Amino acid sequence: DTEVTQTPKHLVMGMTNKKSLKCEQHMGHRAMYWYKQKAKKPPELMFVYSYEKLSINESVPSRFSPECPNSSLLNLHLHALQPEDSALYLCASSQDWGAVFFGSGTQLSVL
Amino acid sequence: GDSVTQMEGPVTLSEEAFLTINCTYTATGYPSLFWYVQYPGEGLQLLLKATKADDKGSNKGFEATYRKETTSFHLEKGSVQVSDSAVYFCALILKIIFGKGTRLHILP
Repeated sequence: DTEVTQTPKHLVMGMTNKKSLKCEQHMGHRAMYWYKQKAKKPPELMFVYSYEKLSINESVPSRFSPECPNSSLLNLHLHALQPEDSALYLCASSQDWGAVFFGSGTQLSVL
Repeated sequence: GDSVTQMEGPVTLSEEAFLTINCTYTATGYPSLFWYVQYPGEGLQLLLKATKADDKGSNKGFEATYRKETTSFHLEKGSVQVSDSAVYFCALILKIIFGKGTRLHILP
């Protein structure tokens, strides 16, 4: 199994909603990532979890809250988002800083 | 700091043409280098990688050689197909720093 699975694939939410993005991998990778990708731009790193501990937070606003319940799961909790937060959110994982494997992403629209 | 520079697209070629997408990097130490491909509406797929100088990564007819002397990792394919139309990202580890991406259009 070389997949990173993300749900949902599409999400539309209002600025007062609370929602969560979910990510799962069963490759035994101990590093997991959240990226944000705007149209026609490269992915931008948001958070890195290493061995279930938050190791990198790229100065992301607090309306994005990551959570790593166990070594296979990664969540991104969303609250009070702004329209400019609309983007493709990509989850990824890697083993000891090797090649990074990406999920298909959640296309988020904030109205 | 670490960085990746790749040629900006779009690159438009005819089917069966030879493809080169240039990528150069700046890094402290000896990074691993990667090419990712992103098809419309999808996440990034690892295309190939090289972990040390002079290594050649290859996959699906694409090749790239890790050139330490020129700090380059250019992507090549001898004969492109319409199905190769996508955005290609060059990247390096540690914090997987991406180039800006090169959009490729293949005309049938």
